[in-house]
Amino acid sequence: GDSVTQMEGPVTLSEEAFLTINCTYTATGYPSLFWYVQYPGEGLQLLLKATKADDKGSNKGFEATYRKETTSFHLEKGSVQVSDSAVYFCALSGNQFYFGTGTSLTVIP
Amino acid sequence: EAEVAQSPRYKITEKSQAVAFWCDPISGHATLYWYRQILGQGPELLVQFQDESVVDDSQLPKDRFSAERLKGVDSTLKIQPAELGDSAMYLCASSLIGDGLRAEAFFGQGTRLTVV
Repeated sequence: GDSVTQMEGPVTLSEEAFLTINCTYTATGYPSLFWYVQYPGEGLQLLLKATKADDKGSNKGFEATYRKETTSFHLEKGSVQVSDSAVYFCALSGNQFYFGTGTSLTVIP
Repeated sequence: EAEVAQSPRYKITEKSQAVAFWCDPISGHATLYWYRQILGQGPELLVQFQDESVVDDSQLPKDRFSAERLKGVDSTLKIQPAELGDSAMYLCASSLIGDGLRAEAFFGQGTRLTVV
């Protein structure tokens, strides 16, 4: 069945460092792919999405490219800030939404 | 901006008691999801509605959990009786039908349940 495998954390970075969080997926058909962010005690917020192969989703300096050949949707940001500290979830939408286990990011000043 | 509304935000209940959560999706969203999220893990789908019909409840522990969406708008998730292991965040989300079921899901702020 459909599934998402996400890089395990926690990840700790210094401010202005480069961020990569790996995500790979298994799916039948042509799912849409998403990154959600969750701040402590809150629900999930959509960060970015891509609906077809080679699409690049971007928002708030974060980017991810839908790579069908490698079944990947890695999240990247060139320069992280303290305010980016949160848990990040990769997800795919086929017949239902499937979420990864989440990657906790802490950015230190 | 339209939001998914959930209540209550926090709930403490004793084991063996009944507890209920309410969700009001974004207006016009036909698909409604209930997820359970245990601390440190990703959301786990409990039930998915399309309008008033259940599309998927394969992961819903039906001996104690029930969900309804009678008029195809707001929804209630009930647990009876609650067990200690039910302590978790319960998240509601909604989405448009859109292109099949590929539209993004919008989440409420969740209900944090603690069973004591």
